[in-house]
Amino acid sequence: DIQMTQSPSTLSASVGDRITITCRASQTIRNFVNWYQQKPGKAPTLLIYAASTLQSGVPSRFSGSGSGTDFALTIRSLQPEDFATYFCQQSYSSPQGFGGGTRVEI
Amino acid sequence: QVLLVQSGGHLVKPGGSLRLSCEASGFIFSDYYMTWVRQAPGKGLEWISYISSSDTYTNYADSVRGRFTISRDSAKNTLYLQMNSLRVEDTAVYYCARTQSALATGSLDSWGQGSLVTVSS
Repeated sequence: DIQMTQSPSTLSASVGDRITITCRASQTIRNFVNWYQQKPGKAPTLLIYAASTLQSGVPSRFSGSGSGTDFALTIRSLQPEDFATYFCQQSYSSPQGFGGGTRVEI
Repeated sequence: QVLLVQSGGHLVKPGGSLRLSCEASGFIFSDYYMTWVRQAPGKGLEWISYISSSDTYTNYADSVRGRFTISRDSAKNTLYLQMNSLRVEDTAVYYCARTQSALATGSLDSWGQGSLVTVSS
């Protein structure tokens, strides 16, 4: 099985900050990485798919990068509504596992 | 718009069975892979199963293989998860999700609201 190692697990930031969350796959997965945002008590929502493609309706301050084994989600100019938990997921092969999550807090 | 509406949560005893439902609307249900993901209380997301658009292919996480069965009814636009031999560690919120493409490698672009399954004696 492919393991997704996400870091950091918690990130303290302020409104207006630029932050980066990383995910490393245990083997190459080309660009089959997706990023999700989850707020407390809610279902996750898709932010980025295929490593760097912004999902429709997602603000352009979110961006994704990487290929192979190393991937990153960057939020430029953090907004109050961005304080949430973020997960990466590989969809290259089953089981299509998730990273452990990054909680972004003030 | 795309909508996935799940059945409500349940309390089940260890060893018991339960079937979750996820009714889809706003898209051509038979064109998409569908997936189940779960989240134990205070924990991360765990992918547990997907089913192909044509109902031909299924796949499961090791943690549920042999106990859970995913299925779909295109006439009812509904996805199911039959859960047997439930264990305390199956306690979680279960989400259904649509895969963004007709391939298994797509992202999960729409999610149900979640169903809380509690396994406890």
